[in-house]
Amino acid sequence: GQNIDQPTEMTATEGAIVQINCTYQTSGFNGLFWYQQHAGEAPTFLSYNVLDGLEEKGRFSSFLSRSKGYSYLLLKELQMKDSASYLCAVRLQGAGNNRKLIWGLGTSLAVNP
Amino acid sequence: GAGVSQSPRYKVAKRGQDVALRCDPISGHVSLFWYQQALGQGPEFLTYFQNEAQLDKSGLPSDRFFAERPEGSVSTLKIQRTQQEDSAVYLCASSTGESPLHFGNGTRLTVT
Repeated sequence: GQNIDQPTEMTATEGAIVQINCTYQTSGFNGLFWYQQHAGEAPTFLSYNVLDGLEEKGRFSSFLSRSKGYSYLLLKELQMKDSASYLCAVRLQGAGNNRKLIWGLGTSLAVNP
Repeated sequence: GAGVSQSPRYKVAKRGQDVALRCDPISGHVSLFWYQQALGQGPEFLTYFQNEAQLDKSGLPSDRFFAERPEGSVSTLKIQRTQQEDSAVYLCASSTGESPLHFGNGTRLTVT
């Protein structure tokens, strides 16, 4: 079967750094996505990793280790507006057009002042 | 428009009623997806279109669910004889090829 694990909830303080982990066990792998979803709103794309290593984009970075089936999303200089759910999704190998995306349940991050 | 548009934003239906949810994808996006998202859960795949062709409907939970995209742009998800377990947010997403998905704000369906 396909499985993606993320922590259910995390809390952090404004200005701090937080790391949200995602581990996956899937029948194939063709990339990993991170999305941010504020309550009542659409998920919005944050990052994409297909090769091992770190991808940095402003305050957000994402890391992938394919051999370990592991990714993390790193958020720096946290702001109150970063309070949201963070979704990890894996695209399965051989499935074009995003059809076979397996989604985690999401990590609800609360940023406190 | 600039993004994926879904309507209505909220829908309340009595059990047994039929509902129709609309999705207007980003212009030019070939791929269109419908997802169901329960509270506190990740999106669950329902169905996928490439242009007007429905290539995968393996996620539709029952034959009460039907989706169409007759002209390869706007799509409608129809749920017949709604049940309480159908209460969820229905998300539509579109993309070009293998680019990241762009989601609409969803339709929150409540079946009473």
